[in-house]
Amino acid sequence: AQSVTQLDSHVSVSEGTPVLLRCNYSSSYSPSLFWYVQHPNKGLQLLLKYTSAATLVKGINGFEAEFKKSETSFHLTKPSAHMSDAAEYFCVVSEGGGGSNYKLTFGKGTLLTVNP
Amino acid sequence: DAGVTQSPTHLIKTRGQQVTLRCSPISGHKSVSWYQQVLGQGPQFIFQYYEKEERGRGNFPDRFSARQFPNYSSELNVNALLLGDSALYLCASSLGASGRGETQYFGPGTRLLVL
Repeated sequence: AQSVTQLDSHVSVSEGTPVLLRCNYSSSYSPSLFWYVQHPNKGLQLLLKYTSAATLVKGINGFEAEFKKSETSFHLTKPSAHMSDAAEYFCVVSEGGGGSNYKLTFGKGTLLTVNP
Repeated sequence: DAGVTQSPTHLIKTRGQQVTLRCSPISGHKSVSWYQQVLGQGPQFIFQYYEKEERGRGNFPDRFSARQFPNYSSELNVNALLLGDSALYLCASSLGASGRGETQYFGPGTRLLVL
């Protein structure tokens, strides 16, 4: 069975400082991993995804994530936070085999606040 | 291009009633998935449909059912509503059903309140 643990329920940063949102996963098969963002009263938007190509994945709006198999981690980073980055972020896993790769399993989310 | 659309945006029902939620996928997408997002939690998988057939089901009671139409739109039905069914219901579409790393595109959701 697949699962995701987001290690922080809330992260607060100042504008212009780096962002780190932590995610660990568990998967019986070779996983695909995603980060989605959810702004208030808006739908989920894909930031980036990992599918067994390069382990460092670049996404939209300056975000990137690194897949570390030995640590079963997929942390999301951004060098410099912007006020518009304030939102809920979800780490998501989808297994790549065994017939169960049709569903996404979400973490509980990390609320990012950006202070001026 | 239009994204995933869902209707209605908001809905208020009372316990015991039935509700139908609707979803139109992105043009060309043949797969629709449904998720339930309770306040303060991540979305949970309910169903996936591909080419009008159920391809997967999450851990939800039989009160939840869905179907997909020939035009690939989908409906989610919930019978005998409980207070705990209050949530944001999200629809997602994708090109196929089980491609590795297939991206699912989400609609804005239907917010259901059960009183």
